[in-house]
Amino acid sequence: GQQLNQSPQSMFIQEGEDVSMNCTSSSIFNTWLWYKQDPGEGPVLLIALYKAGELTSNGRLTAQFGITRKDSFLNISASIPSDVGIYFCAGRTSGTYKYIFGTGTRLKVLA
Amino acid sequence: DAGVTQSPTHLIKTRGQQVTLRCSPKSGHDTVSWYQQALGQGPQFIFQYYEEEERQRGNFPDRFSGHQFPNYSSELNVNALLLGDSALYLCASAQGRAQYFGPGTRLLVL
Repeated sequence: GQQLNQSPQSMFIQEGEDVSMNCTSSSIFNTWLWYKQDPGEGPVLLIALYKAGELTSNGRLTAQFGITRKDSFLNISASIPSDVGIYFCAGRTSGTYKYIFGTGTRLKVLA
Repeated sequence: DAGVTQSPTHLIKTRGQQVTLRCSPKSGHDTVSWYQQALGQGPQFIFQYYEEEERQRGNFPDRFSGHQFPNYSSELNVNALLLGDSALYLCASAQGRAQYFGPGTRLLVL
């Protein structure tokens, strides 16, 4: 099935470090969503973005809607062990209702 | 405020059988989407229901069908199960563009 390019695929970081990940598409999107998924559970919505250039924060998390409307970025500051999990981006084009998901970034935090 | 709920949590079926999965949306949400998530992959869109009608469908065969009830809850039916249908089935509800997922139903087809 169709998936967005998400990078990095996985990363190990030290507790307290900042993390950056991004998602790119060949299509122009009007909505970007960022999710975190723990093993065996459903994805949890972290941040929703609705217009180009928008920068939105949720605690230590900050996400941006790229100005080309073909990419989005998620940053996590001062990572903690509970940040471990898989982060997915999801995007939607105008005139459609389905979200296309990224391939996921697996984050592992070393205490 | 209850979030999105799904039942059952786990299910084991054999090839050729039929299965029905259920979803109750978050309070105030009128749109329900279903996704299939294979191990190690992102969710894949199956279809979306709004006002009791299928509004959009992804690239899934007709063996996958659904229904939305007047209270906005929804069912996903899969007929003639194949081994490849083994996956986590996720329901997501929305009021507007932000969608919220339930915990999923893990289906194993033997």
